[in-house]
Amino acid sequence: KNQVEQSPQSLIILEGKNCTLQCNYTVSPFSNLRWYKQDTGRGPVSLTIMTFSENTKSNGRYTATLDADTKQSSLHITASQLSDSASYICVVSGVLTGTASKLTFGTGTRLQVTL
Amino acid sequence: DGGITQSPKYLFRKEGQNVTLSCEQNLNHDAMYWYRQDPGQGLRLIYYSQIVNDFQKGDIAEGYSVSREKKESFPLTVTSAQKNPTAFYLCASSIGAQETQYFGPGTRLLVL
Repeated sequence: KNQVEQSPQSLIILEGKNCTLQCNYTVSPFSNLRWYKQDTGRGPVSLTIMTFSENTKSNGRYTATLDADTKQSSLHITASQLSDSASYICVVSGVLTGTASKLTFGTGTRLQVTL
Repeated sequence: DGGITQSPKYLFRKEGQNVTLSCEQNLNHDAMYWYRQDPGQGLRLIYYSQIVNDFQKGDIAEGYSVSREKKESFPLTVTSAQKNPTAFYLCASSIGAQETQYFGPGTRLLVL
């Protein structure tokens, strides 16, 4: 069964600090992995997308890594800001050809940045 | 402005009632999707459509119905057969089947 597991479930950090969120997956076959940010009561917004051959992808203060051998990904947030408070969802695409992407969603990590 | 809109933001359903959630996009995307989000769970796919006049069931289609008469619109009807409809419903679209999905702001459905 395709699964995406994220840790920690929730995290509280001080503004300005760095943090790393983890994502482990068992989706096969693997097409790509995306990280989304979801503010409370809003739709998710794409942060990064990585394919099998990519190890690192950055988007401003967000840096995602992918180890396709161990099926692990991480999202590192540098110099956190209050606006980073949100849920971060790891999404793995498991269909390679033809039909619509079969996305498997993690349950998300709830990040709270405080003063 | 280009984007995906969903309406209403909040929707209340009475027992035995069918309700319809609206999703419109002006991104010229071919593919559209409906997801359901429950606390502590990942998003689950209800229905998707890759082209006008065609749609496919997702993982939890029972109790739901959709139509895709226009490229821009993909309404979702929550029927009385859906016994646990309370959830946050998200619509998404993408250029093609394998491309990044862009999400709307969501509709929260509550049962009276």
